[in-house]
Formats: sequence, structure tokens, C-alpha cells
Amino acid sequence: AQKVTQAQTEISVVEKEDVTLDCVYETRDTTYYLFWYKQPPSGELVFLIRRNSFDEQNEISGRYSWNFQKSTSSFNFTITASQVVDSAVYFCALSESGYSTLTFGKGTMLLVSP
Amino acid sequence: DAGITQSPRYKITETGRQVTLMCHQTWSHSYMFWYRQDLGHGLRLIYYSAAADITDKGEVPDGYVVSRSKTENFPLTLESATRSQTSVYFCASRQDREAFFGQGTRLTVV
Repeated sequence: AQKVTQAQTEISVVEKEDVTLDCVYETRDTTYYLFWYKQPPSGELVFLIRRNSFDEQNEISGRYSWNFQKSTSSFNFTITASQVVDSAVYFCALSESGYSTLTFGKGTMLLVSP
Repeated sequence: DAGITQSPRYKITETGRQVTLMCHQTWSHSYMFWYRQDLGHGLRLIYYSAAADITDKGEVPDGYVVSRSKTENFPLTLESATRSQTSVYFCASRQDREAFFGQGTRLTVV
């Protein structure tokens, strides 16, 4: 069975600090997909990134970066120079090959103070 | 507009009443899903559908019924609402490796 753990329930930082959100996953499949979604206070779910299990390259998109390590089953998300607009709940999710359902972690609430 | 839409956005209902949450997508994606979001639980899968007339249970299906007579629609029905079904419900569709979510329906059962 697949499982996603986001151990950090809530993180508070001051603007311009760097912050890393942790995601650890469990799966028996060798082919799978990992996702990050952002849920701002308005409530919608915003897709941030998808990574497949064969692509361990780290990705950077502006202030966002993702570190995928199969050896530790982790897919961590770092925000550099955080801004107040980054305040949101962030979800990590896993989808196994052959199944289209996504299994979500419980989310990490990030609060960035000015 | 292309996308996935849920209706209503907000709903208050009484215990024991039947209520249906609607979900419509314009892409003709094969897969559609219903999740509920509760504090401390994240998003949990209620039901999903691989195609019209094909549905399957997710993690928390009890008390819910779904149907999918057309590819674009995937309604979720609470046959006899209970207070424990107070939640935010998200519909999603998926084709290949991308999943798209509706805006959510906030349901309160009093």
C-alpha cells in the first residue's frame, strides 16, 4: 500500500527565510509519480510539480526547488527567500504506476510573517 | 471555459437529508475522483471512476454513492447526511500523469 508522510504539521518563518517542507513516501512499485500541491487560504489546490520515479534530477523553478532522493524515499520542497504570499498548506502526493489515484500526505501549513 | 467545476460551492443541510454534489469537467478525461479534506487528515479518497459506468471505492466510501453515466459528470451523493460528513469536498480529473482539481464544495451538516 502506498503512503505519504508529512511530519511537519505547521511551520512558521519570517519573510526572506528559507524553508524546507519534508515528504517521505512508501510504495512497492518501481514506477510511481510524486506531486506537490499548494492550497492558499482561498482554498483551491494549485499544482506545483510532478516527478516520476526514474527522474532523480533536482528541479528549480524560481524560488522553489525540489530534492528527490529514492535512497531515502523523500521528495522535499524548499522555498528560498520566503514571502508572505507563500503562506499556504502544502500537500505532497504519490501515484503508483497503473493506478491513477493520488494518495496525499496530511499537509504542512506554512505561515510566513512579514 | 475549459476546466473542472463543482457545484454548489457551499451547502448547509440537515442530518438525514440526501444531498448531491456535482462535478463537471470539459476535457473528457478518463479518470475522475472525489476527495474529502478534513483537518488532521489531509485529503482522503472517497470514490473514483476510470471511465463512464466504471466506479470504485476509495479509502472512505461509507455513506456515499457515485455514478458516472457521462464521461464529463461525476456526481457524489450523500444518501442520508451525518454530521461526520461535514467537510470540504474536492472533485478531480486526470489524464495521463496530471490531476486537476475543482474549487471545492464546503458542506456543513447540521
